[in-house]
Formats: sequence, C-alpha cells, structure tokens
Amino acid sequence: GEDVEQSLFLSVREGDSSVINCTYTDSSSTYLYWYKQEPGAGLQLLTYIFSNMDMKQDQRLTVLLNKKDKHLSLRIADTQTGDSAIYFCAESMNRDDKIIFGKGTRLHILP
Amino acid sequence: EAGVVQSPRYKIIEKKQPVAFWCNPISGHNTLYWYRQNLGQGPELLIRYENEEAVDDSQLPKDRFSAERLKGVDSTLKIQPAELGDSAVYLCASSSQGNGSFGPGTRLTVL
Repeated sequence: GEDVEQSLFLSVREGDSSVINCTYTDSSSTYLYWYKQEPGAGLQLLTYIFSNMDMKQDQRLTVLLNKKDKHLSLRIADTQTGDSAIYFCAESMNRDDKIIFGKGTRLHILP
Repeated sequence: EAGVVQSPRYKIIEKKQPVAFWCNPISGHNTLYWYRQNLGQGPELLIRYENEEAVDDSQLPKDRFSAERLKGVDSTLKIQPAELGDSAVYLCASSSQGNGSFGPGTRLTVL
C-alpha cells in the first residue's frame, strides 16, 4: 500500500542546516513533494521533484531523491526562525492525482 | 491571483448536528479535492473532483459525509450527523496541469 514515513521532530540551531528525511513505499510514485505548514495556516508547496531526478535545488532548499531506497530528503541551508513549521513529505502517482502525505516533521529552531 | 477560499474558517457544533463547508477553487482549476487533517497527522484525501465528476471518493465515509460540485466550480462538503471523531481541519485544494494550491482550511470542533 501507499505509505510515507518521516521523523516527527527535528531541532536545529539558527544558521545551521536542517535535513528532514522521508521514506515512501510506492515505487510508482512519480511526483515527490515537500510542503510547509505554519500554525493556523494552510499548506504551502515548497518544492517538488520528479522521480526521474536525483536532486533539485531552489535557493536555500535542496531536495535529494534516492529512488532505489525510496528515500527523499529536504535540506534547508542557513536555517532561520521563519523556517519553524511542520514539513510534510508527500507523493503522488500522476499530476493532479491524490497526494499521500506523511505525518509531518516539526522543525524547531534554537537561538 | 486569488487563492483557494474556504468558509467558515472555524466551526463548533454539538455531536449529531449537521455541518457544511464551502470551497471556492482557483479560477480555471478543473480538479478539486477535499482533504481531512486530524491533529498531528498529514492530510488524507476524502474526495477528488474532475470538473463536476467525483473521480475518487473511496475514502469518503458515505454514511454521513456527502459532497457536491455543481457546475464544476464551487464545492460543498457536508457531514450529517457529526460525531466527536469528525473534529479535524477540512482542507480544500484545487489544481490544473499539476499546479495546485491548498486553502486555509476549516477547523471543525465537535462537542
């Protein structure tokens, strides 16, 4: 079945890099996503990667995909207090298809 | 461009009462989704529409939940009667050609 697993909590010092990891089970997943959710706010799509890619970089964000191990990671460089949020790993088979979400990783920034 | 609009933002009802949520998707988005997000969990799909047709409602508890998307634009999600376990955030999302967006959600509390 479809399942997305991620650690529930990560604590990082301001200015350091944050790395959030995720594993998924559905090998036919074509799109892999990272969403950000701040308290009281909706889900914001941060970035996504196609399954035929290994890496995608967008400013401070770097996504790495190991398709063989079904492992996805999100690296946030120079973590800021504004990065404090819950980060959801997610996957879907096709464009506009339903999205399967993990339980989210709460990123806490230490001063 | 206006985002996905949902109302109400918050709703508190007693169990066994009916409740309805409304969603206005982004203009031109043919695909509309209703997700439910329980506390500490990721969103889970309830129903997906392509225009006015429900193409995936396998996760919708049809004994008490109903949804409609008349004219393929706005959508309503109804619960009748509500149960304590229905307390959650109900998220509407829309997409077209892979470009999707989530609304802010309706937080339902059932007492």
